[in-house]
Amino acid sequence: AQSVTQPDIHITVSEGASLELRCNYSYGATPYLFWYVQSPGQGLQLLLKYFSGDTLVQGIKGFEAEFKRSQSSFNLRKPSVHWSDAAEYFCAVGAQTNTGTASKLTFGTGTRLQVTL
Amino acid sequence: KAGVTQTPRYLIKTRGQQVTLSCSPISGHRSVSWYQQTPGQGLQFLFEYFSETQRNKGNFPGRFSGRQFSNSRSEMNVSTLELGDSALYLCASSLNRGTNTEAFFGQGTRLTVV
Repeated sequence: AQSVTQPDIHITVSEGASLELRCNYSYGATPYLFWYVQSPGQGLQLLLKYFSGDTLVQGIKGFEAEFKRSQSSFNLRKPSVHWSDAAEYFCAVGAQTNTGTASKLTFGTGTRLQVTL
Repeated sequence: KAGVTQTPRYLIKTRGQQVTLSCSPISGHRSVSWYQQTPGQGLQFLFEYFSETQRNKGNFPGRFSGRQFSNSRSEMNVSTLELGDSALYLCASSLNRGTNTEAFFGQGTRLTVV
C-alpha cells in the first residue's frame, strides 16, 4: 500500500525568503505525485504534478518540485515566498487503478505554512 | 469552464440522522472520488465512482455509501450519523482513464454532527 510522509507539521518563513516543503512517499510502482494547497475552509487546489519525464516540474504560483527516485522524495520549493502563500500544503500519491492515476489519492498529513511580514 | 460544485456547503445534523451530499463534476469528467478530511485523520479516501459504478473503495464502514448518475453527478450518503462523522467532505473529479490525469476538487461540504 502506498503512503506519504510530510515530516514538517508547521513551517514559518519570512516573506521573500525561500521555501522547501518535504515529502517522502512509499509506492511499489511508478509513482504519480501531486502537490495541493488548501486555504482555510476551502477545497484543494492543484499546484503541480509529476507523472514521468523531467524530474523538475514547474507549477502554478511560482512553485516547483523535484522528484528524486533514489530518495523517494518529491519536495516542493519556491524561491521567494509571498504573504498570500500562507496555507496548508498536501503532498499526494496516486495509485494506478483501472480508472486512472488520480482517482484514488493517498495524502500526507499536510504542512501548515505561516508567512511573517 | 465550471469547476467541481458541492452542495450544500454547510450542514448541521443530529446523531442518528442520515445525510446526503451532492457533487457535480467538471463537464466531461466521468470519475468522481470522495474524501473525508478531519483534524485527527487528515484526508482519507472514501470511494470513487466511474460510469455509475463504484470502482474503488476506502476503509470506511457501510454507513458511508454513494452513487453516480448518468450525467456523472454523484451523491454521498451517511446513515446513522455519529459525532465522529463531523468533517469536511471533499469531492474530486478527473478525466476518464489514463495515466496523465489529475483530480480537481470542490470546495467541500462541512458536516457538523451534534
